[in-house]
Amino acid sequence: NAGVTQTPKFRVLKTGQSMTLLCAQDMNHEYMYWYRQDPGMGLRLIHYSVGEGTTAKGEVPDGYNVSRLKKQNFLLGLESAAPSQTSVYFCASRTGTLNGEQFFGPGTRLTVL
Amino acid sequence: DAKTTQPNSMESNEEEPVHLPCNHSTISGTDYIHWYRQLPSQGPEYVIHGLTSNVNNRMASLAIAEDRKSSTLILHRATLRDAAVYYCIITSGTYKYIFGTGTRLKVLA
Repeated sequence: NAGVTQTPKFRVLKTGQSMTLLCAQDMNHEYMYWYRQDPGMGLRLIHYSVGEGTTAKGEVPDGYNVSRLKKQNFLLGLESAAPSQTSVYFCASRTGTLNGEQFFGPGTRLTVL
Repeated sequence: DAKTTQPNSMESNEEEPVHLPCNHSTISGTDYIHWYRQLPSQGPEYVIHGLTSNVNNRMASLAIAEDRKSSTLILHRATLRDAAVYYCIITSGTYKYIFGTGTRLKVLA
């Protein structure tokens, strides 16, 4: 099992460019999450999904969109990148049982110039 | 969602026990207490969780106060590999896990 994988690992964008971060999990988990972590800070929830075809906003959703067309994939999109979106992005997944353990990916380090 | 309060940082000597506290005075009766940790340059990993009773697993123990307004993560013998940021999270039956800033644990050789 690969667990949770994230693509790409690193990316540099110019202000105004767009990109999509891909998260994939092979554990058949129902729930998937996107977090961002700024330097010296904890994780903040951007969006999450409780199943294929459903998404919901977290704490800091502005400037991001997500899609969950397949159960195993959760995509995070930045339509027009801003320097404030420079961060490390983590994806996580967990089972549908209440309080199931979250499994995290290795992160994507994004820099917006 | 219930808020948590943790010390910003703690230090421990190697092979000694470590007690990491967390206050969650607004916790509700059905809220679970979770602990995750984040090693340097990695994503967080699950440590332990509990509801009312104390819990033990291979990584740590979780001691929950009788009124549930606080809890303590116990690492029985800290190693250098336990140096990480430890997050205490309260989940309220929703799908969201809200991370705070956590406690940075430094283990001294």
